[in-house]
Parts: sequence; structure tokens; C-alpha cells
Amino acid sequence: EVQLVESGGGLVQPGGSLRLSCVASGLTFSNNWMGWVRQAPGRGLEWVANINQGGSEKYYVDSVKGRFTISRDNAKNSLYLQMNSLRAEDTAVYYCARDYYGSGPDMDVWGQGTTVTVSS
Amino acid sequence: QSVLTQPPSMSAAPGQKVTISCSGSSSNIASNYVYWYQVLPGTAPKLLFYHNSERPSGIPDRFSASKSGTSATLGITGLQTGDEADYYCAIWDSSVNAAVFGGGTQLTVL
Repeated sequence: EVQLVESGGGLVQPGGSLRLSCVASGLTFSNNWMGWVRQAPGRGLEWVANINQGGSEKYYVDSVKGRFTISRDNAKNSLYLQMNSLRAEDTAVYYCARDYYGSGPDMDVWGQGTTVTVSS
Repeated sequence: QSVLTQPPSMSAAPGQKVTISCSGSSSNIASNYVYWYQVLPGTAPKLLFYHNSERPSGIPDRFSASKSGTSATLGITGLQTGDEADYYCAIWDSSVNAAVFGGGTQLTVL
């Protein structure tokens, strides 16, 4: 069974940092682009970032550039999102997903999500 | 404010048909693939269509998708109460090297 499991969410103060993780199983992780998508409470979906198979290509939504870093460890079948300088507007459920064709919105496998709350 | 415009809400009766629009421009929809997602309450998004109208395995053929010019459309026939969800279109915006979702359409089946 193909599965993505996120972890690392929690409550953090504005300006703080958090690192999200996503462990993949049931798929050849190293063959796939991967990405993060978030959904703020009562809001729509927002694509956050994606990364290619080897980690050499990374793309970000403007609102997180310079603050968030996407990375991966293919030996551990793991995807990461390092989030720094967090703001209240980063509060959301964060999903990791397989970006099947590496085209950004082509996400066919999703995790269950991990909740990030930025509040003092 | 997304560059992709969807109606915020729609409603239809069980058994009926609904079409959800996604309007963009020549720089986004017209020149890129469109994707559609379904988000059921409390669950992760599910990919309904990729590459404008390709249906992943497991998606019922009650669902259809098309693209023409600067607009795309998601169609659902034989509506069921289980189709109540939020539906999103999405594209890769090559002008900013980022994926963009539409604002989403909340579908009510009543």
C-alpha cells in the first residue's frame, strides 16, 4: 500500500521554527517529485513547494520564499519542510504529496496532513 | 485572490448534473495543463483529473473534465450525497514557477 505519513506539526510562536517530515512507503520514493500543500482554517488549498527526485530543483510559492526550505533524504524515504520565521498566516494543515509528473499540481498520493499553529 | 476563478458555491439535487467552471487567462489555463481535486470534509485532497481530462484509476466516469481556451470545466452527473465536497482546479504557472489552485467551489447536494 502506498502511504505518506507526515509529522512534526504543533504550536509555535510567531517568529519560531518548525520542521515537518513525511515518510513514504509502498513507492519508489527516489523516482518521484514530491511536494507540500497547505490549507489554512476555512481557506482553500495553497501549494507550498516541490522538489525533484535528486533534490537539485526546488520551487516555492512567493509567500514562503526565503523562510521555508524543502529537502529530501532518499535513503530514508523522507521529505522535509523546514519552516523558519513563522507567521500567523502560516497556520494550516500541511500535506505532503507525490507530484507524479513533476508538474506541480499533479499530486496523486497524499498524506493525512499535520497541523501547524502559529500563535503566541 | 487566485488567478484561477471558480464559483464559491453551487448546489444541485441528487441525481442531477453539475458543472463547475475554472476561469483563467491565456498565460495560465490556455497554455498549461489543468488539474482537478476533490476535498471531502476532514480528508486529504484527492486528484480527480490530470492533464486537463485524464482520469486516474478509481475515479468514476460520472466525473468528467474538459478545457477550452482560457476556461476549464468539471462535470459531475448522477449526483450523490457523497459528492458533497470542495472542488479545486489547479495549474502550474510557468510565469512564477509555482502551482496555483483556484479558490475552490463548495458543492452541496440537497
